Amino acid sequence: KNQVEQSPQSLIILEGKNCTLQCNYTVSPFSNLRWYKQDTGRGPVSLTIMTFSENTKSNGRYTATLDADTKQSSLHITASQLSDSASYICVVSTGGFKTIFGAGTRLFVKA
Amino acid sequence: NAGVTQTPKFQVLKTGQSMTLQCAQDMNHNSMYWYRQDPGMGLRLIYYSASEGTTDKGEVPNGYNVSRLNKREFSLRLESAAPSQTSVYFCASSESLAGPDTQYFGPGTRLTVL
Repeated sequence: KNQVEQSPQSLIILEGKNCTLQCNYTVSPFSNLRWYKQDTGRGPVSLTIMTFSENTKSNGRYTATLDADTKQSSLHITASQLSDSASYICVVSTGGFKTIFGAGTRLFVKA
Repeated sequence: NAGVTQTPKFQVLKTGQSMTLQCAQDMNHNSMYWYRQDPGMGLRLIYYSASEGTTDKGEVPNGYNVSRLNKREFSLRLESAAPSQTSVYFCASSESLAGPDTQYFGPGTRLTVL
């Protein structure tokens, strides 16, 4: 069964600290993996997209990694800011319309 | 550029009532999607439209119908609303169905069915 599991479910960190969010997937075949940021009450916004051949992709303070052999991805946030408080969603695509969304990690950044 | 817009933002229905959720995009994208998001679960695809004139079922199509009115607009209809359809509905669009194209999401419609 195609699944995307994210951990932790929620996380609280202090402003300025770094954090890493995890995504494990059992999706096959694999086309690409995306990370989205979803602010409360808003739609998801794309952070990174990685295909099979890419193992790192950065977008400002966000760095995503992909290990296609172990079917794991991580999203590292550097020097967190209050505006980073949001849900972070890992999405794996098998190609075409078929995408499997993780349930997300809820990040709280405290001053 | 407004991106993807959705109306209404909030809606409360009684069981058995019908309604249409509207979605429009101004990015000249070919593909459009309707998702629902429930607490503790990932977004699930209801219907999608690969290009103007085509629509197909996604993962959870029962109880819904869609219309791709033109390249810009993609509506979702609930013919007879049920409490199980209480959810947040997101419309999204992308340049194409294939490949690692970014999907752009609207702000969502929060629907409660009593």
